[in-house]
Amino acid sequence: DQQVKQNSPSLSVQEGRISILNCDYTNSMFDYFLWYKKYPAEGPTFLISISSIKDKNEDGRFTVFLNKSAKHLSLHIVPSQPGDSAVYFCAASNQGNTPLVFGKGTRLSVIA
Amino acid sequence: DAMVIQNPRYQVTQFGKPVTLSCSQTLNHNVMYWYQQKSSQAPKLLFHYYDKDFNNEADTPDNFQSRRPNTSFCFLDIRSPGLGDAAMYLCATSRDMGRSEKLFFGSGTQLSVL
Repeated sequence: DQQVKQNSPSLSVQEGRISILNCDYTNSMFDYFLWYKKYPAEGPTFLISISSIKDKNEDGRFTVFLNKSAKHLSLHIVPSQPGDSAVYFCAASNQGNTPLVFGKGTRLSVIA
Repeated sequence: DAMVIQNPRYQVTQFGKPVTLSCSQTLNHNVMYWYQQKSSQAPKLLFHYYDKDFNNEADTPDNFQSRRPNTSFCFLDIRSPGLGDAAMYLCATSRDMGRSEKLFFGSGTQLSVL
């Protein structure tokens, strides 16, 4: 039973446009959410996170939005660059010392 | 640079032949994790160590074992690999447990079972 869902396996965006990657979760106990980025032949690296007490967190070109009532979060990349082409994983955790739960990932291709 | 190192990058083993994957870290983190990721699937946590305290996920098969002889090293042992165990195995570390702790991943070991 998947608790973190990324329903779009892939996404193609033109350079300079906005990329929007979506993530849904089912466990209402999740209260902290992270995005990881993975290039081929490398391990995932942390990108940005958001706590459930916020509905938005911004870091440069990357913004994560959280809609708790819909159990939905999204990652916006503006403007998209070819170097952003990678697999993006959404992950969630809850209070206490429980490990992260990951989604399946979305492969973003930014076309020059 | 502080990092998480996994060896080897690619590992080929035969059906039923024990195999060990290794992970080392220079971050001096308390927690080390092993994830299994099959193609187009979410990374799946197998187990983690908090210092020397071993924590097995409920659905991790008995075929998978782990050792952490010291802070820096952690090993994944697959006692009798089956074809279904072919996957990318990712080692990760975190400074501590807790919901806001970031994970630092190695590059992974791609395991093939013939």
